[in-house]
Amino acid sequence: AQSVAQPEDQVNVAEGNPLTVKCTYSVSGNPYLFWYVQYPNRGLQFLLKYITGDNLVKGSYGFEAEFNKSQTSFHLKKPSALVSDSALYFCAVRTGFQKLVFGTGTRLLVSP
Amino acid sequence: DAGITQSPRYKITETGRQVTLMCHQTWSHSYMFWYRQDLGHGLRLIYYSAAADITDKGEVPDGYVVSRSKTENFPLTLESATRSQTSVYFCASSELGVGGELFFGEGSRLTVL
Repeated sequence: AQSVAQPEDQVNVAEGNPLTVKCTYSVSGNPYLFWYVQYPNRGLQFLLKYITGDNLVKGSYGFEAEFNKSQTSFHLKKPSALVSDSALYFCAVRTGFQKLVFGTGTRLLVSP
Repeated sequence: DAGITQSPRYKITETGRQVTLMCHQTWSHSYMFWYRQDLGHGLRLIYYSAAADITDKGEVPDGYVVSRSKTENFPLTLESATRSQTSVYFCASSELGVGGELFFGEGSRLTVL
């Protein structure tokens, strides 16, 4: 069965510093990996995805993620955090047809 | 406006009552989904639909019923609400294809007393 782990419930970072939100996955077969962000009282918004090709994927709002097959990871990164990046971030993996499995989410807090 | 809309946004009901959460999308996406979001569980798939009149169970379908008579609508019904169904429910849609991202509604917060 496919699964996703987000080992950190919360990540704290100061504004202007780089940020990393971790995600590891377990699947049989080739993974399709996604990151979503959720702001308070809102639905999830798509940030970026890895399907195939370049292991470094660039997405919305300056975020990027690196697919590492050997470590089965897909960590979300941003070179310089903003206070407005504070939100709940979800990693998700899909194999098979359209059944996306989500991690439990990581809360990112960016302090001024 | 184009997008995916859910109604009601907030609902309080009592144990044993029937509740229907509505979901409407204007993109003509083939796939639609219902998730519930609970602290410590992330998002869990309740039901999904590949097209009109085609639905299938997700991870946590018990106590829920769905229908999809039209491509754009995907209502979720709790036939006899229980306290354990207190949650935030999200509807989502997706274009055909495993690489397609999901587009989410704003959510429906349901409280069962």
